[in-house]
Amino acid sequence: SAVISQKPSRDICQRGTSLTIQCQVDSQVTMMFWYRQQPGQSLTLIATANQGSEATYESGFVIDKFPISRPNLTFSTLTVSNMSPEDSSIYLCSVRAGGLYEQYFGPGTRLTVT
Amino acid sequence: AQSVTQLGSHVSVSEGALVLLRCNYSSSVPPYLFWYVQYPNQGLQLLLKYTSAATLVKGINGFEAEFKKSETSFHLTKPSAHMSDAAEYFCAVSENSNSGYALNFGKGTSLLVTP
Repeated sequence: SAVISQKPSRDICQRGTSLTIQCQVDSQVTMMFWYRQQPGQSLTLIATANQGSEATYESGFVIDKFPISRPNLTFSTLTVSNMSPEDSSIYLCSVRAGGLYEQYFGPGTRLTVT
Repeated sequence: AQSVTQLGSHVSVSEGALVLLRCNYSSSVPPYLFWYVQYPNQGLQLLLKYTSAATLVKGINGFEAEFKKSETSFHLTKPSAHMSDAAEYFCAVSENSNSGYALNFGKGTSLLVTP
């Protein structure tokens, strides 16, 4: 397994501003994932981040809106840019660790945009 | 694309009763299947995973799930519900795509346990 921490745990932001979310893992991992969980909804994959390469974004998510950095094998950031109330969600990072493709999740960042 | 469908967005059981949460998958290849639990204001915790080694999978907190290929199902069960089991439960399938083996989640089932 892996232990994952996220900062901040929650934030309230104004429309038009940006927030950077940090994800730290206690071990080196190749693949990190960023998910969004809108209120009362399931999780939707935003992008996959591999160290040393550009992040791969899912349909409906673009780099200008959700830029991702992956500077090393234990850390990643997700920025939510030019925020609107529709961006109010929980953002979770996860890593693939151990065998058989299971993922382990951070505690999430609860974002409210006013 | 591989996907999962969870039947029932809300399930209510009495404490001590059987818990049954339903999940059906759609996959053209043997799937990797998972159940996660999300307690209020927390991240997701892995309950159990299907490895293709055994059709009956035992997980944490007394939960288990049975993989039935003929029914394309992976239902989650627990013989006796505890109040602490009240949470959101997600079934997920791992899909090999351009995003690596990311997870496709079902819509989730909210479990309510009544005294």
